[in-house]
Amino acid sequence: ETGVTQTPRHLVMGMTNKKSLKCEQHLGHNAMYWYKQSAKKPLELMFVYNFKEQTENNSVPSRFSPECPNSSHLFLHLHTLQPEDSALYLCASRNPGLENNEQFFGPGTRLTVL
Amino acid sequence: GQNIDQPTEMTATEGAIVQINCTYQTSGFNGLFWYQQHAGEAPTFLSYNVLDGLEEKGRFSSFLSRSKGYSYLLLKELQMKDSASYLCAVMDSNYQLIWGAGTKLIIKP
Repeated sequence: ETGVTQTPRHLVMGMTNKKSLKCEQHLGHNAMYWYKQSAKKPLELMFVYNFKEQTENNSVPSRFSPECPNSSHLFLHLHTLQPEDSALYLCASRNPGLENNEQFFGPGTRLTVL
Repeated sequence: GQNIDQPTEMTATEGAIVQINCTYQTSGFNGLFWYQQHAGEAPTFLSYNVLDGLEEKGRFSSFLSRSKGYSYLLLKELQMKDSASYLCAVMDSNYQLIWGAGTKLIIKP
């Protein structure tokens, strides 16, 4: 247990569905991240939030929409996804004040788009 | 551009020693990380190097040479549970992590 939880752990959705991924951290961190992990590829940074403000959007398609209502919660809203969006979606958090800059990861949501 | 290179897969024997190399080219440098990821699980932090040299933590050690853009992770007294992917990542000038594709380590009895 890293102190970062994600739900659901597995999600299967059609291309016309709308769903949301949820991330919650109980570590008191102020930075939160969404990553996409595809097989045999590096983790791809999608979005970064610092103190609830989005500070990074790595050219992510608009069918992915993040939301950060407070520093403990992060959502990723999904709509009209494509089969190539099937991947493991990882949430992470960090305390910018920590010297070692470690990011703590949640267990991920395994997403399959049919 | 930014690039992190590490071998795709390595095989080693239980009880032996293995070294996983990582080379990088990034815009700025604020430290290098090694994470371990078992199949279907979250990456977990192993080590952080920001200065040149060797950091030892139990059976695991990590080395950094900033002038060469090079790091390695050394695993000693390998155990079956060390079978996992090992991810190298560099924190760039914007404090974002740039990741390698990971090295899948297979431990054989």
